Amino acid sequence: GAVVSQHPSWVICKSGTSVKIECRSLDFQATTMFWYRQFPKQSLMLMATSNEGSKATYEQGVEKDKFLINHASLTLSTLTVTSAHPEDSSFYICSATDPPARNEQFFGPGTRLTVL
Amino acid sequence: DQQVKQNSPSLSVQEGRISILNCDYTNSMFDYFLWYKKYPAEGPTFLISISSIKDKNEDGRFTVFLNKSAKHLSLHIVPSQPGDSAVYFCAARGLGGSNYKLTFGKGTLLTVNP
Repeated sequence: GAVVSQHPSWVICKSGTSVKIECRSLDFQATTMFWYRQFPKQSLMLMATSNEGSKATYEQGVEKDKFLINHASLTLSTLTVTSAHPEDSSFYICSATDPPARNEQFFGPGTRLTVL
Repeated sequence: DQQVKQNSPSLSVQEGRISILNCDYTNSMFDYFLWYKKYPAEGPTFLISISSIKDKNEDGRFTVFLNKSAKHLSLHIVPSQPGDSAVYFCAARGLGGSNYKLTFGKGTLLTVNP
């Protein structure tokens, strides 16, 4: 199966700092990557859709200036949480796919962000 | 408004028995449905999927049934094993074009007791 990695797996930062999370597809080229966040006992909430070489499409209610997404290559997308606050603490998960060749999204292991 | 609903937050079954997880959706434009399994603090793992043109797909112990008229799908696991204990998410994908995003249900926690 397709493998997607995320780095770091967990991060603790001070309020006001920025944190970058990387998502990599290891054995396939991902033309499209998605970023989700999950609160405890809740579903995965899509934050944005990222297509290689173009600007990300953000879901309603997600601040694009706060959650910066870059998808510069077919195997790497990054999510930067700028000026993080405690309410940004969450589990961030990316997924990757290359439609229409694939119907499934393959998920990374997630990144636990804690903002103090 | 939730477009994908998993109305049972939890399910407990005995090892060896059948586990049936249910999912309902409201958007008739969904064309592809997927089930994912998730352990705490890990990303979801793809299990099985079904296209809207089919009504059944089987893969080993896992079978997904789709009833389009009822906008309902279910995942059957038989026989259930303790290692199947996890949260199961149902997801639906809209028609293609440039948007292949998935809409997830809230998940069902399956516990398989030895």
